[in-house]
Amino acid sequence: NAGVTQTPKFRILKIGQSMTLQCAQDMNHNYMYWYRQDPGMGLKLIYYSVGAGITDKGEVPNGYNVSRSTTEDFPLRLELAAPSQTSVYFCASSYSELDRPISGNTIYFGEGSWLTVV
Amino acid sequence: TQLLEQSPQFLSIQEGENLTVYCNSSSVFSSLQWYRQEPGEGPVLLVTVVTGGEVKKLKRLTFQFGDARKDSSLHITAAQTGDTGLYLCAGGNDMRFGAGTRLTVKP
Repeated sequence: NAGVTQTPKFRILKIGQSMTLQCAQDMNHNYMYWYRQDPGMGLKLIYYSVGAGITDKGEVPNGYNVSRSTTEDFPLRLELAAPSQTSVYFCASSYSELDRPISGNTIYFGEGSWLTVV
Repeated sequence: TQLLEQSPQFLSIQEGENLTVYCNSSSVFSSLQWYRQEPGEGPVLLVTVVTGGEVKKLKRLTFQFGDARKDSSLHITAAQTGDTGLYLCAGGNDMRFGAGTRLTVKP
């Protein structure tokens, strides 16, 4: 039972470098999300996607980019990494009928990716 | 934007005590969810409340959705050390989360 798989688990980046966090789900979920969680804090939504080819900004999208070319994959791109992007990143997915609100559907999370920018 | 405010931010109690944590908003939600997150892991869904005034019980945990569907509470009876964790509420069309209540239950 793979569920939501994120890679890498840990990464150290230098200021100005770029990288991509990979996320894949095998549950055929239409919704996918990227959240970041700073130490001792809750989750902040970076981007989300309601299906292949469609993405929307969340609360804190600046400095990030996403794409959704397939139902299964939702990579998060960090361009020009900054120390403020040091955080734990969680990818998640859920399923919702197209004519139903997504709230109320269970969100399944990956195990997280610990990113440090120095 | 539908904002969720959780209180208290931190809570430290002795094993066996009861506690209540809150999730409040000025917006109406079609449903709210409660998640629990343990260190080093992603959040895991505890419950979804949908109907105003609804009460759901999960063993020692009791969840209530306000009549106006703007707030929710989580009550834990006779807390155990295994209840330690970050409790998050979530809701809204883009599934945003509150900042969470970090609960520590001491033996």
